[in-house]
Amino acid sequence: KAGVTQTPRYLIKTRGQQVTLSCSPISGHRSVSWYQQTPGQGLQFLFEYFSETQRNKGNFPGRFSGRQFSNSRSEMNVSTLELGDSALYLCASNLQGENTGELFFGEGSRLTVL
Amino acid sequence: DAKTTQPTSMDCAEGRAANLPCNHSTISGNEYVYWYRQIHSQGPQYIIHGLKNNETNEMASLIITEDRKSSTLILPHATLRDTAVYYCIVRGPNFGNEKLTFGTGTRLTIIP
Repeated sequence: KAGVTQTPRYLIKTRGQQVTLSCSPISGHRSVSWYQQTPGQGLQFLFEYFSETQRNKGNFPGRFSGRQFSNSRSEMNVSTLELGDSALYLCASNLQGENTGELFFGEGSRLTVL
Repeated sequence: DAKTTQPTSMDCAEGRAANLPCNHSTISGNEYVYWYRQIHSQGPQYIIHGLKNNETNEMASLIITEDRKSSTLILPHATLRDTAVYYCIVRGPNFGNEKLTFGTGTRLTIIP
């Protein structure tokens, strides 16, 4: 069974640009959550999608947005990039939106903003 | 949700059992203990979880004390690939993904 797939794995952008990250959850998983991980702030929740609906949103500015498609694949977008957006962006999926705790993470997309 | 306390770092010889402790003295009766690990620059990996009974899977064993105030993750035959940061977290049945946080964890180094 394929795991959670995130693309791209690495990317470099400059300030002011925008970026789109993609996440394909484990087959059958309908819940997708996004997290930002930095050495200083640790793991921070961005948003969660379930059945194409945003179920929860973290405390990030409106430059951060996301969506989920009918096949459960999800994308997140960051517009007007800032240096502080440099981080590892993690996507996690779990089964049927239940909070079982067994979150399965992708390898992450490491974004560097110059 | 209960807070957890873990040692900052540990070393273990390759081939030996690695025993990683976690204290969660304020755990509630319906809260589970979960373990994840994160190898450098990779996504966190789910290892195991339990409520009150000891659990074992292909990766590790989880021993939870009878009073549930502490637990130990055991990697029976540690390999170099087990070098990672290990996170112990406590989650209730209605714990939302928005509350997930890993803390500082234990940095386990497997020594050849």
